[in-house]
Amino acid sequence: AQSVTQPDIHITVSEGASLELRCNYSYGATPYLFWYVQSPGQGLQLLLKYFSGDTLVQGIKGFEAEFKRSQSSFNLRKPSVHWSDAAEYFCAVVSGNTPLVFGKGTRLSVIA
Amino acid sequence: GAGVSQSPSNKVTEKGKDVELRCDPISGHTALYWYRQSLGQGLEFLIYFQGNSAPDKSGLPSDRFSAERTGGSVSTLTIQRTQQEDSAVYLCASSFGTGRDGYTFGSGTRLTVV
Repeated sequence: AQSVTQPDIHITVSEGASLELRCNYSYGATPYLFWYVQSPGQGLQLLLKYFSGDTLVQGIKGFEAEFKRSQSSFNLRKPSVHWSDAAEYFCAVVSGNTPLVFGKGTRLSVIA
Repeated sequence: GAGVSQSPSNKVTEKGKDVELRCDPISGHTALYWYRQSLGQGLEFLIYFQGNSAPDKSGLPSDRFSAERTGGSVSTLTIQRTQQEDSAVYLCASSFGTGRDGYTFGSGTRLTVV
């Protein structure tokens, strides 16, 4: 069965530091991969998505992610974190007609 | 509408009562999804509607949970005889087609069973 693993439950970074959030997936077919962000009390907002082609994808708010088939990974990165980036981040996968499968999320805290 | 609208935003109910949660998807989106988000957990898939096809109910946790989608638009998630473990945020999303461009989520309904 398809699954998504986000190994880090909680990450704290200093404002201005770089960020990498990890995501690994288990999928038989070529997956469609997504990162979503959820601010407190809000729904989920799509940051970026990967279908095919260039394995480095750019998203909103200065985020990017790199698809590595050999590692079954789709890690999210940002060169310089802002305090407003503090939120919960979810990696998700879909293939075929099945609904999105989400990881359990990584909570990001940003300190001054 | 401009986005996915869910109501109510908060609901407190007594154990054993029935509740109805409403979702108004983006106009023109053919697919509608319900997820449940519990504290410390990810998003748990509940049910999926695609056009006029029979819904995928594989994620419903018990027969106390049901959902319908009227006229291919508004959806209602019903929980009968609520239990404390039903307390969670219930999120609705909609998409075009199979959602490979991503889903648009509503802000959710926070359900508290006391």
